[in-house]
Amino acid sequence: KAGVTQTPRYLIKTRGQQVTLSCSPISGHRSVSWYQQTPGQGLQFLFEYFSETQRNKGNFPGRFSGRQFSNSRSEMNVSTLELGDSALYLCASSLDPLAGGYNEQFFGPGTRLTVL
Amino acid sequence: GNSVTQMEGPVTLSEEAFLTINCTYTATGYPSLFWYVQYPGEGLQLLLKATKADDKGSNKGFEATYRKETTSFHLEKGSVQVSDSAVYFCALYGGATNKLIFGTGTLLAVQP
Repeated sequence: KAGVTQTPRYLIKTRGQQVTLSCSPISGHRSVSWYQQTPGQGLQFLFEYFSETQRNKGNFPGRFSGRQFSNSRSEMNVSTLELGDSALYLCASSLDPLAGGYNEQFFGPGTRLTVL
Repeated sequence: GNSVTQMEGPVTLSEEAFLTINCTYTATGYPSLFWYVQYPGEGLQLLLKATKADDKGSNKGFEATYRKETTSFHLEKGSVQVSDSAVYFCALYGGATNKLIFGTGTLLAVQP
């Protein structure tokens, strides 16, 4: 079974631009979560989508948004990029959250975003 | 709120040395605890987990025991290899949301 895939793997943007990152979950997984990883802040939860609905959101400004499609693929968008948005963005998928107990989250390789 | 604290790195060891990476947590209720590993250029991989007090998670020679009395989940390995060089993250999951809370990560460098 193919793992979680993220595209693109690397991105370079300039301040003020916007960017869209894509995540394809493992086949059959319906939940997709996004995390931001930076040297200063570590791994921080951005949001989680399940059945095309955002179910949980971390403490990030409204410039960070996401969506999920009917095939469970997810995109996240960052508008008006700032230097501090430079990070590794990780996507994770799981079967069915809140179905009782923990559903293991499988992570993709990430998208490395550099904002100049 | 829930939080995870793990020891600062980097941790530098010689091959076959004993490894301990400390992790403590703060949480309401009874969270599940995890260790994830991140190799260079890759995403996170689940290394081991424990879902209730006194559970011992183990995988690839790594072990960690869920200690509720000390709110700890320390990672140990008896004999590290160069291939174990990576960043290790302690994490917890608890409550009604599908959200992992991570520690800051500990870089392990194993020298031959």
